[in-house]
Amino acid sequence: DVKVTQSSRYLVKRTGEKVFLECVQDMDHENMFWYRQDPGLGLRLIYFSYDVKMKEKGDIPEGYSVSREKKERFSLILESASTNQTSMYLCASSRPRGLSSPLHFGNGTRLTVT
Amino acid sequence: AQTVTQSQPEMSVQEAETVTLSCTYDTSESDYYLFWYKQPPSRQMILVIRQEAYKQQNATENRFSVNFQKAAKSFSLKISDSQLGDAAMYFCAYRQGGSQGNLIFGKGTKLSVKP
Repeated sequence: DVKVTQSSRYLVKRTGEKVFLECVQDMDHENMFWYRQDPGLGLRLIYFSYDVKMKEKGDIPEGYSVSREKKERFSLILESASTNQTSMYLCASSRPRGLSSPLHFGNGTRLTVT
Repeated sequence: AQTVTQSQPEMSVQEAETVTLSCTYDTSESDYYLFWYKQPPSRQMILVIRQEAYKQQNATENRFSVNFQKAAKSFSLKISDSQLGDAAMYFCAYRQGGSQGNLIFGKGTKLSVKP
């Protein structure tokens, strides 16, 4: 089974802090994604990457950046955390385009910014 | 831009009964894929079922089946013989064929199962 591991299940940070959310997958997937999940809004794409050192903005990239130095690891960075970034963050991975392969998700990181 | 709409924020079903969750989508593409994901309280997103747009036959996975109406751009999920473990958030998702794999999600339907 594909395993996508997010480093923290719960995280509490202060406003203005730089925050790193880490995600590792063990299936050699090319594609990796960061979503944000908020009640009533569903999942919204922040960034995705289809190769090492490659990244593409999603629908809500403002206030976030990403890093993909190794194929298995995709990091989400909050440069200066703000209270409106309090949310659930979900990482996912998949095989490349053109296939009906689904996204495989991690267990999520619930981030609270105070 | 493609959109996915789930018009039922919450649904309830009696154990052992059948329930249908609705999903509509908007696209001008002919090549795409549709998915239903389940998210129980554990937060783990689990793939329930998938459908390729070029296939006319509705996908089925055990107690889960879809009613895929391509012309109407409708993709509903039917859960038969509902079980307590089916209680979860259900998300409908769309992916354009040839894309990098990003899914566009609906806002979700919270399903409760009554014993």
